[in-house]
Amino acid sequence: DTEVTQTPKHLVMGMTNKKSLKCEQHMGHRAMYWYKQKAKKPPELMFVYSYEKLSINESVPSRFSPECPNSSLLNLHLHALQPEDSALYLCASSQDHRGQRINSPLHFGNGTRLTVT
Amino acid sequence: GNSVTQMEGPVTLSEEAFLTINCTYTATGYPSLFWYVQYPGEGLQLLLKATKADDKGSNKGFEATYRKETTSFHLEKGSVQVSDSAVYFCALSAMEYGNKLVFGAGTILRVKS
Repeated sequence: DTEVTQTPKHLVMGMTNKKSLKCEQHMGHRAMYWYKQKAKKPPELMFVYSYEKLSINESVPSRFSPECPNSSLLNLHLHALQPEDSALYLCASSQDHRGQRINSPLHFGNGTRLTVT
Repeated sequence: GNSVTQMEGPVTLSEEAFLTINCTYTATGYPSLFWYVQYPGEGLQLLLKATKADDKGSNKGFEATYRKETTSFHLEKGSVQVSDSAVYFCALSAMEYGNKLVFGAGTILRVKS
């Protein structure tokens, strides 16, 4: 079982819809991440929150809007998406943003499979 | 250029065969190195890691040794099982990459019974 919970598991939305992806962790981690993964490819970093503040935005289009309401929750708001945005969206957390260099690697959720029609 | 290069797959093996998945990296200094595994329908899980030269990471029968002289971190397992079928990602983290996790392209492993 993963300690990072993502909902929903699957989402189908039209290009004019507004939807949100949710992520929750209760490990006391202070860094949370959104990744996008296309089929047969590695995950691509989208956003990093460190101590509830946005610290990295990898030039993601504004139709993706992240939100970190508290240290346990991370949302990704979606609006006016395109079919090419269909992918697996993965949330991850770590002790802090420097976690990969100290003894605290990323913990991933199982993802939300998004299909944009 | 690519920061992490993995051997292309898919790799198809019979149960109990020996596994090697090659991984080489490009980074100055001493990056931290990782292997992540992604089982079908799931997110990524950390399999093992090494943070300095000559460290050996190991978990679930898998091993990888941080080789600074060859800039490599090859994944090995002596006897694979059907349940090891998954996608394996080599990754590094280094200050020159903003401490972000840089993934290789991934290698699909299929183990037949």
